[in-house]
Amino acid sequence: AIRITQSPSSLSASAGDRVTITCRASQDISSYLAWYQQKPGKGPKLLIYGASTFQSGVPSRFSGSGSGTDFTLTISGLQPEDFASYYCQQYYNHPLVFGQGTRLEIK
Amino acid sequence: EVQLVESGGGWVQPGGPLRLSCVVSGFSVSNYWMSWVRQAPGKGLEWVGNIKQDGIEKYYVDSVKGRFTISRDNPKNSLYLQMNSLRAEDTAVYYCARDFLVVSVAMFFDYWGQGTLVTVSS
Repeated sequence: AIRITQSPSSLSASAGDRVTITCRASQDISSYLAWYQQKPGKGPKLLIYGASTFQSGVPSRFSGSGSGTDFTLTISGLQPEDFASYYCQQYYNHPLVFGQGTRLEIK
Repeated sequence: EVQLVESGGGWVQPGGPLRLSCVVSGFSVSNYWMSWVRQAPGKGLEWVGNIKQDGIEKYYVDSVKGRFTISRDNPKNSLYLQMNSLRAEDTAVYYCARDFLVVSVAMFFDYWGQGTLVTVSS
């Protein structure tokens, strides 16, 4: 199975900051990577797929990049509602695998 | 409005069975692959398995193969997860999700439910 290593596991930042979360795949997955946001007690919400394509309704301060094995999610100008957990997911093949998650906390 | 509502969670003893349901509104499940994803308390997300529109082609993560079975009832717009021989490590919130198929079996999840908690303990 493809392994996904996500970092950092937690991150403290302030409103208005720019933050970057990274996922690395154990093999080439082309652009078959999605990003999700999850708030406590809720199901995850799709943010980005195809490594860089926005899901409808996602604010433009979120951006994704990368291909092959290295991917990043960047949030520019953090808003209070952005403090949540974030997960990447590879969908190159089965089993579908998520990164370990990044908890974004208010500094 | 798209809604996925899971039910059937609860407490079960190790070795016991439990059946989860997911009732969908806002789209027809007959047009989509559907998945179950779980999250142990305080942990990350783990895909459990999924099922094609025809109910025949299915995939599972290795840790549940032979114990869990996904099924669907397209006329009822519903998805099910039959869990047998449950273990403590199956304790988690279980989410149903709609698969967005890109090509072949490459898929991510574009809609999720709120989840139902399964606790396996003696």
